[in-house]
Amino acid sequence: SQKIEQNSEALNIQEGKTATLTCNYTNYSPAYLQWYRQDPGRGPVFLLLIRENEKEKRKERLKVTFDTTLKQSLFHITASQPADSATYLCALPLNDYKLSFGAGTTVTVRA
Amino acid sequence: NAGVMQNPRHLVRRRGQEARLRCSPMKGHSHVYWYRQLPEEGLKFMVYLQKENIIDESGMPKERFSAEFPKEGPSILRIQQVVRGDSAAYFCASSPPAKSYEQYFGPGTRLTVT
Repeated sequence: SQKIEQNSEALNIQEGKTATLTCNYTNYSPAYLQWYRQDPGRGPVFLLLIRENEKEKRKERLKVTFDTTLKQSLFHITASQPADSATYLCALPLNDYKLSFGAGTTVTVRA
Repeated sequence: NAGVMQNPRHLVRRRGQEARLRCSPMKGHSHVYWYRQLPEEGLKFMVYLQKENIIDESGMPKERFSAEFPKEGPSILRIQQVVRGDSAAYFCASSPPAKSYEQYFGPGTRLTVT
């Protein structure tokens, strides 16, 4: 069956450093992959979508890579800030509308 | 443009009671999705609805759970005879027509069954 795995350990980093999160998947051939941010007590907020034919995508301080051979996406937060502290979710489509989410990786950025 | 609205934000029910969760999609969105999030787990798809139609309810438990999205008014997720295992955060998302991959999530309803 399809499976999505994200870094199981929470990430604690110093302000200004780069946080790198991993999303690995098995038994999928997704046309795209999405990353969301979720704050405590809130719903997920869409950040980035990367398609299977795109190797890399950037949005401000965020960078996402997508390697369909390795079945892996990396999510980077550069020049991290305390305001970046949140849980980051990876999501893949099971079909046109059904998203499957990883359990998330919690990032804490220390000032 | 208001985002996806859900209410109540927190709901406490005793075992055996009914829970009704409401979701108002973003303006212009006619597609609604419900997801459930258990502690330490990812969001799990439950059901996809369009106005007056259930498109896919493959993620819904067969018993006690139902969902609707009437022509007028919010989408409702109804859980009858709640059990402790129903305690979770329930999120609603909406999308514009023809852009089902572009889902906007509400703040969620946290259901606690005592």
